[in-house]
Amino acid sequence: EVQLVESGGGLVQPGGSLRLSCAASGFTFSSYEMNWVRQAPGKGLEWVSYISSSGSTIYYADSVKGRFTISRDNAKNSLYLQMNSLRAEDTAVYYCARAGGGWYNFDYWGQGTLVTVSS
Amino acid sequence: DIQMTQSPSSLSASVGDRVTITCRASQSITIYLNWYQQKPGKAPKLLIYAASSLQSGVPSRFSGSGSGTDFTLTISSLQPEDFATYYCQQSYSSPRTFGQGTKVEIK
Repeated sequence: EVQLVESGGGLVQPGGSLRLSCAASGFTFSSYEMNWVRQAPGKGLEWVSYISSSGSTIYYADSVKGRFTISRDNAKNSLYLQMNSLRAEDTAVYYCARAGGGWYNFDYWGQGTLVTVSS
Repeated sequence: DIQMTQSPSSLSASVGDRVTITCRASQSITIYLNWYQQKPGKAPKLLIYAASSLQSGVPSRFSGSGSGTDFTLTISSLQPEDFATYYCQQSYSSPRTFGQGTKVEIK
C-alpha cells in the first residue's frame, strides 16, 4: 500500500524557518517524481514545488522561489521542503504528492502537515 | 503560467442529479487535465487523469471530457458521498496550476 506521511509542521514566527519531511512507503520511491502542494485555510490548492526522481530537475512556484528548497533522499525514501524567511501568507496545510505515470497527475497524497506563521 | 478557471464556484444539487463542472485553460493543454475530489479535512483524491481516464477505484458515475482548452467533469447520478470540492489541474507544463475549485453542496 502506497503511503506518504508528512511531518515537521508547526507554529513559527515570521522570518523563521521550518523543514518538512515526507516519508514514503509501499512503492519504489526513487522511480517517482514528487511534489509539494499547499492549501491555505479555507482556500484552494496551490502547487509549491516539484522534484524529479533523481533530484536533478527542480521547479518552484514564484511565491516561494528563493525561500523554499525541495530535496529528496532516495536511500531514505524521503522528500523534504526547507522553508526559510517564512511569511504569514505561507500559513497552510502542506501536502506531499506523488506524480504518477506519464500524465504527471498527482495519484497519491499524504495527509498533510499544518504550518502556521504567526507572531 | 497557464491559468485554470472553473465554473461554477459552487452549486447545490440533490442526490440523483446529474452534475457538470467545467474547467477552462488559458492556453491549449491538449489532454493534460486532471480532476481531484477533496472532502473537508482530507487530502485531495485523484478522480480523472488525461482528461477522460478514470483513476483505478473511482466509481463509473464520474466521467471527464474535453481537449485543448475546455474540459468537463460529469457526475451522472450524484450520491451522498460526492458532496465535496472538486479541482481541475493542468499537468501540461510547470507550474502545474489548479483551478479555484467547485464546491458541490446538498440542495
